[in-house]
Amino acid sequence: AQKVTQAQTEISVVEKEDVTLDCVYETRDTTYYLFWYKQPPSGELVFLIRRNSFDEQNEISGRYSWNFQKSTSSFNFTITASQVVDSAVYFCALSEARSNSNSGYALNFGKGTSLLVTP
Amino acid sequence: DGGITQSPKYLFRKEGQNVTLSCEQNLNHDAMYWYRQDPGQGLRLIYYSQIVNDFQKGDIAEGYSVSREKKESFPLTVTSAQKNPTAFYLCASATLPAVGNTIYFGEGSWLTVV
Repeated sequence: AQKVTQAQTEISVVEKEDVTLDCVYETRDTTYYLFWYKQPPSGELVFLIRRNSFDEQNEISGRYSWNFQKSTSSFNFTITASQVVDSAVYFCALSEARSNSNSGYALNFGKGTSLLVTP
Repeated sequence: DGGITQSPKYLFRKEGQNVTLSCEQNLNHDAMYWYRQDPGQGLRLIYYSQIVNDFQKGDIAEGYSVSREKKESFPLTVTSAQKNPTAFYLCASATLPAVGNTIYFGEGSWLTVV
């Protein structure tokens, strides 16, 4: 079963619009970690943020912000005033402290959301 | 510069051939991973290694092999047994214990079967 669901396959916005990328996860572990990565056209995955299950504080980094809600098992990512350089595929990922112990704590990825920002 | 280097960036393989993708890291990470990415799909784990001379199968290991003779190197061989090898391959690494640690990725290698 898919542990991380990114329901939005593709999103297209005009520059300066705000955009929210959704991420819903599923786990029975009490200790887990959530990540967001950005994959530009070059292909490399760029780490954006890590959040552990005990820290529900929202985080803001420049134009980026993340909303972690355990009650709805969601870890959504908002880009404010989007720019063309934000165009990329964004992945949400989950690492479970117990369930992932037999996979080297490799990340479980969602299928990604392709964001296109046009001028 | 510290990082993960994958080579080649682009590789074409004839059917029936084995090919090896290189992955080298100078981050002094103990854990290394290989993922496969297909268009419109997330990343799927092929193999991982947490220590030299030891590695474990991931979710889609069939048709692939790896070795970990050195801490900094984790090459992936795509064998002729892999029925659909055309994909984007990403190597990654992390410090130990890897639970919750950020996993860093290389730039990836595109493999096309011709």
